[in-house]
Amino acid sequence: NAGVTQTPKFQVLKTGQSMTLQCAQDMNHEYMSWYRQDPGMGLRLIHYSVGAGITDQGEVPNGYNVSRSTTEDFPLRLLSAAPSQTSVYFCASSPTGSSYNSPLHFGNGTRLTVT
Amino acid sequence: GQQVMQIPQYQHVQEGEDFTTYCNSSTTLSNIQWYKQRPGGHPVFLIQLVKSGEVKKQKRLTFQFGEAKKNSSLHITATQTTDVGTYFCAGPKSSNTGKLIFGQGTTLQVKP
Repeated sequence: NAGVTQTPKFQVLKTGQSMTLQCAQDMNHEYMSWYRQDPGMGLRLIHYSVGAGITDQGEVPNGYNVSRSTTEDFPLRLLSAAPSQTSVYFCASSPTGSSYNSPLHFGNGTRLTVT
Repeated sequence: GQQVMQIPQYQHVQEGEDFTTYCNSSTTLSNIQWYKQRPGGHPVFLIQLVKSGEVKKQKRLTFQFGEAKKNSSLHITATQTTDVGTYFCAGPKSSNTGKLIFGQGTTLQVKP
């Protein structure tokens, strides 16, 4: 199994451009989430989904959209990139929406720079 | 809002010394998870604690969950260079277990 696959690994955008960060998992996990990691800030939850067709906001959702049309895929869209969105983005999944006995499996991350 | 705080933010130790990182939540946690992130890598799950006062060990790593379920600690005995990385604690937002909130992490450097 590949686990959680994120693409691309690196991306440079200009302010105002849009793009989609891809995330796919082959473990049939119900729960998927997006985090951003900034120095000294830890991992902050952007959006999450407890199953296909269901999404909800995390701690820092502004400027990002998500959808969950299939169990496997959970793309993150930046509609109009801003320098404040420069960060490392991690997608993570777990078997269920509850954190009981459900450790997160992380992808390798996407390093995004907005100039 | 609910916060999960970790101290210290950074720790430099000599190889062979012990290391401890502390995690404190502003609210009672139903459970707490610990992750390790190697430099340039992604977070990897280490362990989950559920019961009040629970203590779990993984070789040189000892994890504790406080009696009040508001704090936790990770202790590494006799650190090795392979322990280098950032250690995160994470707990579910009290009103919504779908939201796993991470602490800021403790970055450990080990001098050989």
